[in-house]
Amino acid sequence: GAVVSQHPSWVICKSGTSVKIECRSLDFQATTMFWYRQFPKQSLMLMATSNEGSKATYEQGVEKDKFLINHASLTLSTLTVTSAHPEDSSFYICSAKDRSSYNEQFFGPGTRLTVL
Amino acid sequence: ELKVEQNPLFLSMQEGKNYTIYCNYSTTSDRLYWYRQDPGKSLESLFVLLSNGAVKQEGRLMASLDTKARLSTLHITAAVHDLSATYFCAVRNSAGGTSYGKLTFGQGTILTVHP
Repeated sequence: GAVVSQHPSWVICKSGTSVKIECRSLDFQATTMFWYRQFPKQSLMLMATSNEGSKATYEQGVEKDKFLINHASLTLSTLTVTSAHPEDSSFYICSAKDRSSYNEQFFGPGTRLTVL
Repeated sequence: ELKVEQNPLFLSMQEGKNYTIYCNYSTTSDRLYWYRQDPGKSLESLFVLLSNGAVKQEGRLMASLDTKARLSTLHITAAVHDLSATYFCAVRNSAGGTSYGKLTFGQGTILTVHP
């Protein structure tokens, strides 16, 4: 089955620093990946859609200058949280769309970000 | 705008009992998903429902879809402690435009099964 990995699985950083999270599709090519954020005991909220070779599209209310997305290849998308603050602490989950599996989304294991 | 509502949001069950989680959505969709999430973990796919009247079963869980009522149910039969988790339904936007293919999640149902 389609496998999606994320790295790192958890990260702790100081306020004001930038953090990069990687999302990889391991056994398929993904022209589209999605980034979600999940606060404790809440649902998943879509942040942005990452498209290979083009700019990401962001959901309303998501600051594109704060959450930089780069989809440089068919198997890798990165999310950089710039100048992180404690309110950015959250669980970030990516998913990748597999065209050969009826465009189903496969979810990564998530990255827990804690900003001190 | 596609909205997805689950109920109940919290469910405390005794082992051996049956219960149903409901998922209502606001606009037409071509796919509905059920996921399980354990604390600190990502999503585990349970079911994909594609058509009206679809019913899928895996172990003690059974999911169904009524596209006319825009309603899906996740039925739990003879609950066991291992089923304790948060369950999400998600609906795929099939309306076209920039939102096509995006998933909208319900609020989640936190299920706790007691001995």
